[in-house]
Amino acid sequence: DGGITQSPKYLFRKEGQNVTLSCEQNLNHDAMYWYRQDPGQGLRLIYYSQIVNDFQKGDIAEGYSVSREKKESFPLTVTSAQKNPTAFYLCASRQGDNYNSPLHFGNGTRLTVT
Amino acid sequence: AQKVTQAQTEISVVEKEDVTLDCVYETRDTTYYLFWYKQPPSGELVFLIRRNSFDEQNEISGRYSWNFQKSTSSFNFTITASQVVDSAVYFCALSEAGTASKLTFGTGTRLQVTL
Repeated sequence: DGGITQSPKYLFRKEGQNVTLSCEQNLNHDAMYWYRQDPGQGLRLIYYSQIVNDFQKGDIAEGYSVSREKKESFPLTVTSAQKNPTAFYLCASRQGDNYNSPLHFGNGTRLTVT
Repeated sequence: AQKVTQAQTEISVVEKEDVTLDCVYETRDTTYYLFWYKQPPSGELVFLIRRNSFDEQNEISGRYSWNFQKSTSSFNFTITASQVVDSAVYFCALSEAGTASKLTFGTGTRLQVTL
């Protein structure tokens, strides 16, 4: 079945360490997205990529980095510069980059930094 | 700037009650899409419905119905005869034609349905 796989489901890190969250999709979608979810704040866009080897900053990109070397993969690195990294991270994709297309989401990764 | 407001943070109902989740949006664009997503405890957001700005027809899908009113910039979601399985966080979202890559979400409404 086609879908988006995020791994791991739970991730624990010490403060000051970089950590990379995996996102893989087999839907053959062109566009991929990373959102951060915090209680009471909804989903906020971190980065997005419309095609391979290209990506743009979202609303809260500071302290994060991404790469898009393959169409299927869009990993997110949470760097030590991110001041409040503990959150639930959701990866999404959609066909093309049309504003009328719904996003398809993965199951998310819950990151805890202590 | 686009904005989506879901003023109801949390709603609790007893099974079989009807419940309406409110969504109010702001946009300067005349061409846009509105979406509703459901987030069960598993965490994955599930797409429920989309509606474009030129189609104000209400829609019904089983126990779910949606009321889109451009005059009040609202896109409300009603669940009829709620069930425990409806318990989830529900998000309303807006996508403007001019910002193709950006889907703006509301803060979500947590619905708790009890027996």
